[in-house]
Amino acid sequence: DAMVIQNPRYQVTQFGKPVTLSCSQTLNHNVMYWYQQKSSQAPKLLFHYYDKDFNNEADTPDNFQSRRPNTSFCFLDIRSPGLGDAAMYLCATSRVEGRGGNEQFFGPGTRLTVL
Amino acid sequence: AQTVTQSQPEMSVQEAETVTLSCTYDTSESDYYLFWYKQPPSRQMILVIRQEAYKQQNATENRFSVNFQKAAKSFSLKISDSQLGDAAMYFCAYRTGGTSYGKLTFGQGTILTVHP
Repeated sequence: DAMVIQNPRYQVTQFGKPVTLSCSQTLNHNVMYWYQQKSSQAPKLLFHYYDKDFNNEADTPDNFQSRRPNTSFCFLDIRSPGLGDAAMYLCATSRVEGRGGNEQFFGPGTRLTVL
Repeated sequence: AQTVTQSQPEMSVQEAETVTLSCTYDTSESDYYLFWYKQPPSRQMILVIRQEAYKQQNATENRFSVNFQKAAKSFSLKISDSQLGDAAMYFCAYRTGGTSYGKLTFGQGTILTVHP
């Protein structure tokens, strides 16, 4: 089945130790998104890729970076995680087709704990 | 900037009954899309239903329907014949129109509990 896969599902890191979260998709979608969702809050978009074009949200901290080496994979790098970065990180994809209200397909998320 | 507000942090319903989740939004745009997403515990978020702002007809998907009031900027979700599997966090979301992709702005979510 076509899907969005996130690895690992749970990640524990130490304060200040770089961490990378992974997302892959078999949907062949042009657009990939990273959202941060803190406990009991709404998901908040960090950035997205349209093909290889990177689009950063204005309020995304510099501590967060992303890479998309090919259509299928996208990575979220947190250079120096702080306690406030503990959250669920959601990857999503969508296709580009006309001007339709295309849905975003979400992965199961990676829950990041910062010790 | 657009904002989405869900005023009900929690709702509960008896199995087989009907429940309505509220959502209001604020925008100056005329072309946009509205979505309801469902996020079950420890499972991925999935689309429940979508509405295009320029369509006056309310969207329906099986037991799920919306009441879209564009002038009032209201977009409520009605779940009929509630099932245990409907228990989840429900998010209302907004996306600017004009393209087929883009940022979703989510509301704070409503936790729905379904009692047997």
